Amino acid sequence: GQNIDQPTEMTATEGAIVQINCTYQTSGFNGLFWYQQHAGEAPTFLSYNVLDGLEEKGRFSSFLSRSKGYSYLLLKELQMKDSASYLCAPMDSNYQLIWGAGTKLIIKP
Amino acid sequence: TAGITQAPTSQILAAGRSMTLRCTQDMRHNAMYWYRQDLGLGLRLIHYSNTAGTTGKGEVPDGYSVSRANTDDFPLTLASAVPSQTSVYFCASSDTAERGDNGELFFGEGSRLTVL
Repeated sequence: GQNIDQPTEMTATEGAIVQINCTYQTSGFNGLFWYQQHAGEAPTFLSYNVLDGLEEKGRFSSFLSRSKGYSYLLLKELQMKDSASYLCAPMDSNYQLIWGAGTKLIIKP
Repeated sequence: TAGITQAPTSQILAAGRSMTLRCTQDMRHNAMYWYRQDLGLGLRLIHYSNTAGTTGKGEVPDGYSVSRANTDDFPLTLASAVPSQTSVYFCASSDTAERGDNGELFFGEGSRLTVL
């Protein structure tokens, strides 16, 4: 079956760095997305990885290892506005996104 | 830029009544999707449409129907609502992944539905 595993909740301090891990099992693979979702709002796109390695985009970076079924999202210089849920979503062989339940990130001053 | 618009934003509905959630996009995207999001669960796909005139069933299609008469609109209908359909519903669109695009989804703001 298809399965996504990511921590339910994480806490970090403003200005620090946090890494959110995601492991996945899908039927086929066509890349992996990370989305950010603030409470009561719609998810918004953060990153897309289809090849192994690190993709950097400002304060956010995303890593993929296809052989390990593993990805992480790295957030640097944390700000209070980064408090949100982070959704890991690999795309299967039918180009459908398989969604994890998300990791709720709490930033403390 | 409007992007993708859903209506209503929220609704309280009596069990057994019918309801249509509206979704319109102005990005000329081929693919559209309806998801429901419940606390502690990931987004679950209800129905999708890869192009106008075609629809398909997702992970949790029972109790829901959709139509795709044109590119822009993708309404979701609950024929006879039940309390388990209480959820937040998100409509989304994307340029079809098979075209070589990365399949990024653009979401509407969501419709919060409560069935009593």
